[in-house]
Amino acid sequence: DTEVTQTPKHLVMGMTNKKSLKCEQHMGHRAMYWYKQKAKKPPELMFVYSYEKLSINESVPSRFSPECPNSSLLNLHLHALQPEDSALYLCASKVSNEQFFGPGTRLTVL
Amino acid sequence: LAKTTQPISMDSYEGQEVNITCSHNNIATNDYITWYQQFPSQGPRFIIQGYKTKVTNEVASLFIPADRKSSTLSLPRVSLSDTAVYYCLVGDRGTSNTGKLIFGQGTTLQVKP
Repeated sequence: DTEVTQTPKHLVMGMTNKKSLKCEQHMGHRAMYWYKQKAKKPPELMFVYSYEKLSINESVPSRFSPECPNSSLLNLHLHALQPEDSALYLCASKVSNEQFFGPGTRLTVL
Repeated sequence: LAKTTQPISMDSYEGQEVNITCSHNNIATNDYITWYQQFPSQGPRFIIQGYKTKVTNEVASLFIPADRKSSTLSLPRVSLSDTAVYYCLVGDRGTSNTGKLIFGQGTTLQVKP
């Protein structure tokens, strides 16, 4: 299994909702990442987990809450988001010199 | 992390060789140069990585001059399916598992029939 999977593919939520994005990989990679990508812009790093511990938080607002329950799973909990948070959310895992990206979750906040 | 500069867009025709150059004037001694490809609504995909001189794999070549202040991604005989955004990244390969990837603006390659 050489892929990163993300669910759901699409998510529409209101500003008062609580939702979660899920990312999974079974390649044994111990570093996992969340990125946010707006239309026609490059991916922006949000969080980095190393060995299930948060190692980098790129000053992301607290309405985004990451969680790494085990070495294969990465979640991003969403609460009280704003319409400007609408974007493609990408998960990645890394080994050596290469990051493997998932297909992303397209999030729309109404 | 070293900043990269690439052309915003490029056009090519099927069957041609495409060269995309990336400038990274403040590259550090332990930095590697990595290129990713991204199709719309998909995650980026690793293409190639190098440190110096030339690296070739089954999809591309990467040319890095001796001063390492720039690099050129070469795509041989492009097809319509190579239409994508290409990102040049420079950073520490990471002796630990973590390693920040900071994406530049990327080059949108449009391949025409």
